[in-house]
Amino acid sequence: KAGVTQTPRYLIKTRGQQVTLSCSPISGHRSVSWYQQTPGQGLQFLFEYFSETQRNKGNFPGRFSGRQFSNSRSEMNVSTLELGDSALYLCASSQPPQETQYFGPGTRLLVL
Amino acid sequence: GQNIDQPTEMTATEGAIVQINCTYQTSGFNGLFWYQQHAGEAPTFLSYNVLDGLEEKGRFSSFLSRSKGYSYLLLKELQMKDSASYLCAVRDTGGFKTIFGAGTRLFVKA
Repeated sequence: KAGVTQTPRYLIKTRGQQVTLSCSPISGHRSVSWYQQTPGQGLQFLFEYFSETQRNKGNFPGRFSGRQFSNSRSEMNVSTLELGDSALYLCASSQPPQETQYFGPGTRLLVL
Repeated sequence: GQNIDQPTEMTATEGAIVQINCTYQTSGFNGLFWYQQHAGEAPTFLSYNVLDGLEEKGRFSSFLSRSKGYSYLLLKELQMKDSASYLCAVRDTGGFKTIFGAGTRLFVKA
């Protein structure tokens, strides 16, 4: 089975721009979660989707949004980028009941 | 509140045994996970505990005590390639999310 894929792998943006990241889960997985990882904060939960519905959202500003499509692929969007948004963004797919998170390789975002 | 605590760093010698502890306080509990993350890579799943007791998987074992909010990951016969960060994570039933600890960086020396 193919693993979780994320595109793009690397991205450089400037402050004020917006960015869209994409995630394709493992085939058959209907849950997709997004995390932000920085050296100082560790893995921070952004959102979790299941069957196109957002089940939960972490403590991030409204500039961070996401969605899930009928084929379980997911996108997250960050608008009005700030320098502090520079991080590794990880997507993970899972399935009930255990919900083990299987991670993609991540998108490394640098905001200048 | 929700909190997961684990030591920031540990150092151990090749061939030895190391135990990485994790304590948690979460509003709900539906399982505890351990992940390994090498520098520059994504986390990979190591183990899952939902009932009290020890789960063994090769050189790695994980223990859970739900009443104490405590888990540990035991790594035996340490190898240099085990140098990585180890993340403890709890699945929160009520909130539909997985909460991660900050991770323990393990250094294995020759």
